[in-house]
Amino acid sequence: EDQVTQSPEALRLQEGESSSLNCSYTVSGLRGLFWYRQDPGKGPEFLFTLYSAGEEKEKERLKATLTKKESFLHITAPKPEDSATYLCALRGNTGKLIFGQGTTLQVKP
Amino acid sequence: KAGVTQTPRYLIKTRGQQVTLSCSPISGHRSVSWYQQTPGQGLQFLFEYFSETQRNKGNFPGRFSGRQFSNSRSEMNVSTLELGDSALYLCASGPVGTDTQYFGPGTRLTVL
Repeated sequence: EDQVTQSPEALRLQEGESSSLNCSYTVSGLRGLFWYRQDPGKGPEFLFTLYSAGEEKEKERLKATLTKKESFLHITAPKPEDSATYLCALRGNTGKLIFGQGTTLQVKP
Repeated sequence: KAGVTQTPRYLIKTRGQQVTLSCSPISGHRSVSWYQQTPGQGLQFLFEYFSETQRNKGNFPGRFSGRQFSNSRSEMNVSTLELGDSALYLCASGPVGTDTQYFGPGTRLTVL
């Protein structure tokens, strides 16, 4: 069964304090691993798609990486506006998009 | 390009009633998926449609159903509402040839 586990559940950082969010997964035939950002009361906002181990993608202060068992979302020098819930999801051979429970990030000024 | 739109944004119903939610995908997208998001269960896949055909289905009871029209717009219906159906219902669309999906703002359903 395809599974996604995110850690930590919650993360508090000071502005400028870099850190990483973890997404561990098991899947039968990875078709894509996805990162989304979700603000309270809103729909998830697409960030990245990763397709194979070793792939990396960057956008502003965010960088996503992928291995055969994990993905990391690295946040460099975060700002308060980066506060949100970050969701990891994958699509395998079943075709269904399976989400993790998310990591809620709070960045204090 | 306009994003995914969902109507209504908020809805209050009572137990036993039925509800229909609507989703308009991004122009050119032919795949539409629906998800239920609750604090306890997180985001759970309901079903996916492509070119008016249900392509995939999650583990939800038959009270949850959907359809897609020839213009790719989609509706989902929940019959005989239960208190536990209170949730944020999200629609997502995706372009042909990729697995990436883009989400709408959701419909907040409250069942009293």
